[in-house]
Amino acid sequence: DAGVIQSPRHEVTEMGQEVTLRCKPISGHDYLFWYRQTMMRGLELLIYFNNNVPIDDSGMPEDRFSAKMPNASFSTLKIQPSEPRDSAVYFCASIGTAIGNTIYFGEGSWLTVV
Amino acid sequence: KQEVTQIPAALSVPEGENLVLNCSFTDSAIYNLQWFRQDPGKGLTSLLLIQSSQREQTSGRLNASLDKSSGRSTLYIAASQPGDSATYLCAVRRAGGTSYGKLTFGQGTILTVHP
Repeated sequence: DAGVIQSPRHEVTEMGQEVTLRCKPISGHDYLFWYRQTMMRGLELLIYFNNNVPIDDSGMPEDRFSAKMPNASFSTLKIQPSEPRDSAVYFCASIGTAIGNTIYFGEGSWLTVV
Repeated sequence: KQEVTQIPAALSVPEGENLVLNCSFTDSAIYNLQWFRQDPGKGLTSLLLIQSSQREQTSGRLNASLDKSSGRSTLYIAASQPGDSATYLCAVRRAGGTSYGKLTFGQGTILTVHP
């Protein structure tokens, strides 16, 4: 398997623009996580899904953030409108509980909002 | 609310030294604990996973221990090499409740091994 695939890897956008980050989890995995990493706050869980259903979105910072998982192989994290303080690395990760309990991370999407 | 703390925040050692990284957590109701490695500009790679019922796990020069009752884990790296230089993070996965599967990460230990 190719692992967790995220796109885009890097994005620079202007304040106020919509940003959509994409994630393809490992095939057969039933949990999908979106994390944000900054120097100040470290790794923070934003939201996670189990079998495509959002379970806990308490980490989503504001209504400007939304996430969807329309099927088992695809998820999006959207920021609208984006602000400079949203600049961070956004990681997607997945776990397959029937396979094992190791979490696998994507390479991250490096977002800069100017 | 689970809090995970890693000590030290940064560590610089000469090549060949054995070293210990520490991780503590406030809520002992965990499902498992994982240690990760993160290289600059990269994602996280899982190194070792310890289930709540286990005491330790080993992989090559790495050994991780878990004392759930006291809320502590250590990562032992034997005979350190420059290639071990990276940030090491620990994370705990909560057991049960509505937040099953939720991972809480420490801030990490930045390790530098110099030749």
